[in-house]
Amino acid sequence: KNEVEQSPQNLTAQEGEFITINCSYSVGISALHWLQQHPGGGIVSLFMLSSGKKKHGRLIATINIQEKHSSLHITASHPRDSAVYICALPGGATNKLIFGTGTLLAVQP
Amino acid sequence: GAVVSQHPSRVICKSGTSVKIECRSLDFQATTMFWYRQFPKQSLMLMATSNEGSKATYEQGVEKDKFLINHASLTLSTLTVTSAHPEDSSFYICSARDPGGGQFYEQYFGPGTRLTVT
Repeated sequence: KNEVEQSPQNLTAQEGEFITINCSYSVGISALHWLQQHPGGGIVSLFMLSSGKKKHGRLIATINIQEKHSSLHITASHPRDSAVYICALPGGATNKLIFGTGTLLAVQP
Repeated sequence: GAVVSQHPSRVICKSGTSVKIECRSLDFQATTMFWYRQFPKQSLMLMATSNEGSKATYEQGVEKDKFLINHASLTLSTLTVTSAHPEDSSFYICSARDPGGGQFYEQYFGPGTRLTVT
């Protein structure tokens, strides 16, 4: 079993839809990252959270430490949201990241 | 938010040559930087942890003599791919840890460098 599992792996949505991407993990963590990677592009850090909920624009991230689960929500999705979304957990003494497999999101106009 | 830059963004080199990639933290001092490699349609793979003023720590299977890392200052780490081969063609990404205190550390990612070895 992978330490970090994301679902779904692929997601196609129509513009305007509410989107949820899930991340479950099996290790104890202090915080969790949600990252965005556009095709051919670099990584953008969307959120880093250790409890509760964070909101930035149309993006909302929640985490439940007891259940070892986090979700990333996108409200009023737009084609420019099309990207790979990755959850990642810092682990070890140097806090190096353990990455989920990513969710490929395609938002169609 | 904190910014991390990488240079160059794209590089094409001939097989057998060496290529240097720079990673800079622009508005904070990064005692630790990380170098990742990503092959097409795959997740990021950590190559090494770069610590300012000391030797880098390489992940299992990563050749330290081939991927030279130098973290000479608190804002700059370099990755040199020596004697590059076509199989080294990949997307190389760095991240920098901001020791901002609190319960955890922020990591900020650079935009990546696309290396193509011909």
